[in-house]
This record gives sequence, C-alpha cells and structure tokens, in this order.
Amino acid sequence: NAGVTQTPKFRVLKTGQSMTLLCAQDMNHEYMYWYRQDPGMGLRLIHYSVGEGTTAKGEVPDGYNVSRLKKQNFLLGLESAAPSQTSVYFCASSPGPTARNGYTFGSGTRLTVV
Amino acid sequence: AQSVAQPEDQVNVAEGNPLTVKCTYSVSGNPYLFWYVQYPNRGLQFLLKYITGDNLVKGSYGFEAEFNKSQTSFHLKKPSALVSDSALYFCAVSPSGGYQKVTFGTGTKLQVIP
Repeated sequence: NAGVTQTPKFRVLKTGQSMTLLCAQDMNHEYMYWYRQDPGMGLRLIHYSVGEGTTAKGEVPDGYNVSRLKKQNFLLGLESAAPSQTSVYFCASSPGPTARNGYTFGSGTRLTVV
Repeated sequence: AQSVAQPEDQVNVAEGNPLTVKCTYSVSGNPYLFWYVQYPNRGLQFLLKYITGDNLVKGSYGFEAEFNKSQTSFHLKKPSALVSDSALYFCAVSPSGGYQKVTFGTGTKLQVIP
C-alpha cells in the first residue's frame, strides 16, 4: 500500500543544472499534481495532469516542465535550476475531477539550489 | 479568486485542553473544504472534509470542524489536545463541481505543551 512515492527525497543542485523529480502512484488515480511549499506561503500549484498524456499549468509554472507518459507517473523537470527554486516539492494525486475525495500526498523532495 | 486565510501562524495549547485552529475562506458558489495535517519531514495527510450536509464534520484522530456559511469559516477543533497533535495544519478550499483548483492556506503550527 505505497500510495504516492517521490524520488529523490533530498537533492542539492548547482545553479544552471537540470534534474527530474519522479512521482509514482499505485492507486490508479487519474489526476496528479505538483506543488511547492515555501515558508509562509503554503502550497502553490506548479503543474497538474488530468490523465495520461495531459498536462496543464498551475499558479507558478515558470522554470518547470512536466510529463505524464504513463498514468502512474508524473515527472517534474527543472531545465536550469535557480536559487529561487529552492523549496520542498510535493506530488499529490486524486481519483476524480473534483477535489471532494481529497488528495493523497507524497512525502516530499527537499531541493536546495546553490 | 478563491482564497483561504489562516490568521494564526502558531497556536499553543496545554495538553488536555480544547484546541481550535481557525480558517476562513472565499470562493464562488458552494465550497468543498478540507483540513490536512503535516508532521515534520512528511507529506500532508488528509484529516477531514466538508462537501455538503451536516455542518459539523468529524475526521481522523478525534478532530472535527464546523462549517459556518454565514461567517465563511471552517475552524478545526478537538476537545482534548494531545502532545502528538503537534504539527502543521493546512486548511484548503475549492469550488464544487467539475475540475476545480484547490487553494491551500499558509498553515498553522499547533504546539501542544505537556
């Protein structure tokens, strides 16, 4: 009963480097989301997906790209990391098109860009 | 635009005393309302939700929340606090129906003092 699994858990990048964060869910959920959490700002939606092969922009999409080639996986990419992208990143999933069932969150990826 | 306000950054309460974590919201139409809890270095966990019906909703770990439409509030409560309740609590809102973006509050840190 894994739920939502995020890898890696921690990462330190140098400015300008690239990386991909992986989110995998085993609940057959259609909807998946990437959030970033910063002190005093709560959670902000970066990108989301309403099904395999689809992606859409959230509140703060600049500097990030995503892909959902398989239903169970949602990848978040940073092409050229900047210190402003230092944050804790959370992936979440939900079974349907409304929020009424709540989200299942992963345990997060703590990213530091130096 | 929808929004969530958690007016207290931190709430301190003595173990055994009742606790309240405040949340007010703004949304068009009928809301879906949620509380999530985050323990250190963990992802958010779903606590409870209001979708429709009874204004008092009960959730995990003895928590409950009261939906007040006239005051646009959804305060989280527990009759008797435990030290293990110490965590970060997030209120969230979305409009009902279809795919709707969920907006999270900035979080309230609950500290239960032994």
